[in-house]
Amino acid sequence: SQQGEEDPQALSIQEGENATMNCSYKTSINNLQWYRQNSGRGLVHLILIRSNEREKHSGRLRVTLDTSKKSSSLLITASRAADTASYFCATDDTRGSYIPTFGRGTSLIVHP
Amino acid sequence: DAGVIQSPRHEVTEMGQEVTLRCKPISGHNSLFWYRQTMMRGLELLIYFNNNVPIDDSGMPEDRFSAKMPNASFSTLKIQPSEPRDSAVYFCASSWSDEQFFGPGTRLTVL
Repeated sequence: SQQGEEDPQALSIQEGENATMNCSYKTSINNLQWYRQNSGRGLVHLILIRSNEREKHSGRLRVTLDTSKKSSSLLITASRAADTASYFCATDDTRGSYIPTFGRGTSLIVHP
Repeated sequence: DAGVIQSPRHEVTEMGQEVTLRCKPISGHNSLFWYRQTMMRGLELLIYFNNNVPIDDSGMPEDRFSAKMPNASFSTLKIQPSEPRDSAVYFCASSWSDEQFFGPGTRLTVL
């Protein structure tokens, strides 16, 4: 299995601004997922993008995938204080069994 | 559905003691994952079950760790003997497709 790496490690913005987080990975994937983790809680699935998709939207979330660069980005528009959390990308691989591996996450702080 | 249930939520024990963490996956899910999360190492996959069978345990750190899934609705992660470096938050997750559903975690502190 492989590991996605998020960038930046930490991000601090003001409410209303957009937040962009990136994820890079090493080998071919079937899909890439983004998860969110509030402090002291388990991870919550946000969005999945498949390898044949380039962009996907869900509410204020926009995810892009560039398989040629082996990277993905998560954009949160019009951020709110409640978006404060850690965000992780998870990649599977193309070997058949779905074994996702997570990066170390981006810690996002949105100041009210 | 109540989601993935983990118990206990917090565990404080002394070095050398046996620790057992429990997980009840979401009904109908056929895959179960155990993860460990620390500041230093991030979120590590320890073991993965599919249809109650361990598929990949390459993440289990050493023989002190063992995991079982006797049926589709229950799994345990056991550490014997525990060591201070095992202190972490342990998550269980289940899935039936690509999306994983995480439990609230067990915060383990080994003194």
